[in-house]
Amino acid sequence: EPEVTQTPSHQVTQMGQEVILRCVPISNHLYFYWYRQILGQKVEFLVSFYNNEISEKSEIFDDQFSVERPDGSNFTLKIRSTKLEDSAMYFCASSEGSLGEQYFGPGTRLTVT
Amino acid sequence: AQSVTQLGSHVSVSEGALVLLRCNYSSSVPPYLFWYVQYPNQGLQLLLKYTTGATLVKGINGFEAEFKKSETSFHLTKPSAHMSDAAEYFCAVSDRAAGNKLTFGGGTRVLVKP
Repeated sequence: EPEVTQTPSHQVTQMGQEVILRCVPISNHLYFYWYRQILGQKVEFLVSFYNNEISEKSEIFDDQFSVERPDGSNFTLKIRSTKLEDSAMYFCASSEGSLGEQYFGPGTRLTVT
Repeated sequence: AQSVTQLGSHVSVSEGALVLLRCNYSSSVPPYLFWYVQYPNQGLQLLLKYTTGATLVKGINGFEAEFKKSETSFHLTKPSAHMSDAAEYFCAVSDRAAGNKLTFGGGTRVLVKP
């Protein structure tokens, strides 16, 4: 069964450093998403992406965040200058259609020290 | 704005007993509703979803949920718990008007006792 994959599974970085989280969505999916879950809190929507453009973004998704689909398979989330409060589990998801079921990856645990 | 409330962050059930996880939502549009399950060190897996039509929806692993518009609820049930049901369960509502983003509840961690 096709699945969404994410790398790395765990990333440790120092405050102020840039990080790139990588995702490979399901191959025939056109809609891509990032969510995050701070330890002990709800899963929160960050951004949705379609046709090489951001469709929707949350208040969390400020200028420090960016997304890109650099090639036909990868979907990346970049945090330019990490803060302690960026420590969280980051989930990538993809869907075939605009209202389709979202398939989630296993997540990347980001720890900012 | 949409929101989801899951009553009870932890639920403990005996193997073979009924599993009932409560979810209430608020939405300004007719909602699409979802239940996801997360096993340790894994991603979120869709259990079931309600979009339109029959209000009782069946999902994987013997789970089902009923959409009750009058109660703004979408509670998840399973008649007989199995040890493998130990996981965290998330209820979510889709904002069909804005990028299909999902708004999640806080999650309910299920412990199954032998």
